[in-house]
Parts: sequence; structure tokens; C-alpha cells
Amino acid sequence: EVQLVQSGAEVKKPGESLKISCKGSGYIFTNYWIVWVRQMPGKGLEWMGTIYPGDSDTTYSPSFQGHVTISADKSISTAYLQWSSLKASDTAIYYCARRVDPLGGGDSWGQGTLVTVSS
Amino acid sequence: SYVLTQPPSVSVAPGKTASITCGGNNIGSKSVHWYQQKPGQAPTLVIYDHRDRPSGIPERFSGSNSGNTATLTISRVEAGDEADYYCQVWDSSSALFGGGTKLTVL
Repeated sequence: EVQLVQSGAEVKKPGESLKISCKGSGYIFTNYWIVWVRQMPGKGLEWMGTIYPGDSDTTYSPSFQGHVTISADKSISTAYLQWSSLKASDTAIYYCARRVDPLGGGDSWGQGTLVTVSS
Repeated sequence: SYVLTQPPSVSVAPGKTASITCGGNNIGSKSVHWYQQKPGQAPTLVIYDHRDRPSGIPERFSGSNSGNTATLTISRVEAGDEADYYCQVWDSSSALFGGGTKLTVL
């Protein structure tokens, strides 16, 4: 069974750093893209970026480029999303999803990680 | 930049058919994917590549795509289908989501 399991909820202060994770199992992690998606409270889905764990090739949405870093450690089948300096506006649920092919949909999703940034 | 437009809400009576549209310039030339998101849950893929259903998705869910409009159709709507639905495409290596449609089952 394909599973993506994300790290737990976080509460941070503005300016702090954070790294959340997404661990894949039940499939060959290096053969599928991982997509990160943001959902702000009461809002829709926003694509943040994509990484191919096989070679760590990464693409960012222009809206998030420079504010987050996406990475992966294929030795432990885990992808990461990190911030060096959080803002209150980063408060959201963050989802990872597996993408099967370059134009494909996300066929398996993590449970989401709630990040709350508040002073 | 490419924009996907969905109606904010659609209402339907149980047992009837719901149609949720996703508008975009020449969207018929793109692969469209549809997600269902119930409150407090992660999205679930219900249609990929215009019309294909992942395993486990009921045949009541179908999709079409032509011209400037893609459509998700849910036949014989059930109370459990009440959720937010999002369309999604890839455009120049970027993923784009529609704004989402809240399906209300009356």
C-alpha cells in the first residue's frame, strides 16, 4: 500500500526556522515526483513546488521561490519542506503528494501538517 | 498566466446528477485532474487525465474535457459526496489548481 506520512503539527514564532517531512512507503520512492501543496485556513489548494527524489531535480512555484526550500533524502525515502524565517502568513496546512508522471495528478497524499506561526 | 475558473458552489438533490465545471483557455489540450476534499481531510484524486478513475473511485464519477471547459460529473449523488472539488492542470512545469467548488447535497 502506497503511503505518505507527514510529520506532526508545529507551532512557531515569526522569524523561526522549520523543516517538515513526508516519508513515502509501499513504492519505489526515487521513481515518483513529490509535490508540496499549501492550504491556508478556509482557502483552496496552492502548488508550492515539486521534487524528483531520484536526482533531486526541483521546480518551485514563482509564488514560493526563495521563501521555501524543498529537498529529499532518498536513503530514507523522505522529502522535506523548510523555511529559514517563518512569517505569520505561513500559517497553513501543508500537504505532500505523489505524482506519477510529468503531467499526472497526485494519486496519493499525506495527511497534512498544520503549521501555526504566531507571536 | 494560466487561470482555472470554477463556480464557488453547486447544489444538487440526492440521486440527481451534479456537474462541476473548470474553465481555462484551450483546457481541452491539457490533462485535467479532479480532487475531492472533505472537511478536515487531505484531498483525494477522483479523476485523472480528463476521464480516468483511480481504483476505488465509484463509476458515478466521470470527467470530460473539450474546448475551454472540463467537467466533473457525479451521477446519483449521495450525501457522502458533499465536499470541495478542485480541478488541476500542469502548465509550463507549474501545477495550477482551480479555486474549488463546494458541492452541497440538499
